[in-house]
Amino acid sequence: AQKVTQAQTEISVVEKEDVTLDCVYETRDTTYYLFWYKQPPSGELVFLIRRNSFDEQNEISGRYSWNFQKSTSSFNFTITASQVVDSAVYFCALSEEKSSGDKLTFGTGTRLAVRP
Amino acid sequence: KAGVTQTPRYLIKTRGQQVTLSCSPISGHRSVSWYQQTPGQGLQFLFEYFSETQRNKGNFPGRFSGRQFSNSRSEMNVSTLELGDSALYLCASSLGLRGVEQYFGPGTRLTVT
Repeated sequence: AQKVTQAQTEISVVEKEDVTLDCVYETRDTTYYLFWYKQPPSGELVFLIRRNSFDEQNEISGRYSWNFQKSTSSFNFTITASQVVDSAVYFCALSEEKSSGDKLTFGTGTRLAVRP
Repeated sequence: KAGVTQTPRYLIKTRGQQVTLSCSPISGHRSVSWYQQTPGQGLQFLFEYFSETQRNKGNFPGRFSGRQFSNSRSEMNVSTLELGDSALYLCASSLGLRGVEQYFGPGTRLTVT
């Protein structure tokens, strides 16, 4: 069965610090998809990135970067030079190819607080 | 393009009542999924509809049901409400292709008293 673990429940940093959010996943499927979503206080989940299991290239988008390592089943998310607007709950999620449809299995989320 | 919309945004119901929540997906999206978010259980998958057919279902009792219309709009219904059904119900839409990203609506906050 699929599982996503986000061991960090809450992280607090001071603005401009770098912060890494950890995500470890479990799946028996050889083809799967990983996602990161951001949930600000308003409640809406905002899509950040999608990765498929065959693409281990790291990705950078502005201050955001993602490190995907199949060898350790991890898909970590780094925010460089954090800002107060980055304060939110961040969720890592997994979707399996063999699962019919679009079912996402979410981790428990990491609450990030960025202090001015 | 307009995003995913959900109505109503807030709802207060009494135990034993039933409720219907509505979701309008992004134009062109054929898949609609529903998730329940609670502090204790986190984000849990309820079900997914694609082209008016339920394609996947999570581990929820039969009191939770849904449907999708020909215009891809979806509704979910919860009958015989229990206190534990109080949650944020999130709807997400996608193109329905395997592994594509889902876009979420603002959610419906349901409170059962």
